[in-house]
Amino acid sequence: QVQLVESGGGLVKPGGSLRLSCAASGFTFSDFYMSWIRQAPGKGLEWLSYITNSGSVIYYADSVKGRFTVSRDNAKNSLYLQMNSLRAEDTAVYYCARDESLQAWGQGALVTVSS
Amino acid sequence: DIQMTQSPSSLSASVGDRVTITCRASQGISNYLAWFQQKPGKAPKSLIYAASSLQSGVPSKFSGSGSGTDFTLTITSLQPEDFATYYCQQYNSYPPTFGQGTKLEIK
Repeated sequence: QVQLVESGGGLVKPGGSLRLSCAASGFTFSDFYMSWIRQAPGKGLEWLSYITNSGSVIYYADSVKGRFTVSRDNAKNSLYLQMNSLRAEDTAVYYCARDESLQAWGQGALVTVSS
Repeated sequence: DIQMTQSPSSLSASVGDRVTITCRASQGISNYLAWFQQKPGKAPKSLIYAASSLQSGVPSKFSGSGSGTDFTLTITSLQPEDFATYYCQQYNSYPPTFGQGTKLEIK
């Protein structure tokens, strides 16, 4: 069955960096767009980015543009989110999801930005 | 950006009830609309995509309808496991946007 597993979350100081990974299995990863979404504590869902199946086109939310970078390695069935210049307001659970309609989600990775 | 407005924001219902949640888009999105269920401490789960297509494995008690700007999610015969927060999302145009969520609580 489709499985997405995020890793790499943790505590980071403001201004720091963190890289999240999302390992995919149970489907042909290279056939699908992939998305990142986050949820701040007690808040709703916020779309962050999606990347086409080849990785040739990537869209970002204005809130993370220029600070976050999405990439993928189809040979490793993996999606990545490089987060730089982190702020307190980036504290959230980060989810990867399959395609633009988000038909499958990972369990999430908690990122806490605090001094 | 397209604004997605869900109503109501919260809803109290009893086991066995039928409920409807509405999602309105600030401009037309054709049928590029998805619905998700989220329980506390868990990841969202896809229920409906393309406005009315039931996700594999999701019971038929969940149904979606609508096109353009107005959409509904209907849940029949509520069971204790259905009490959760529900979100809609448009993916017609960049950036994809979510509704604010509807919290379905037990009366």
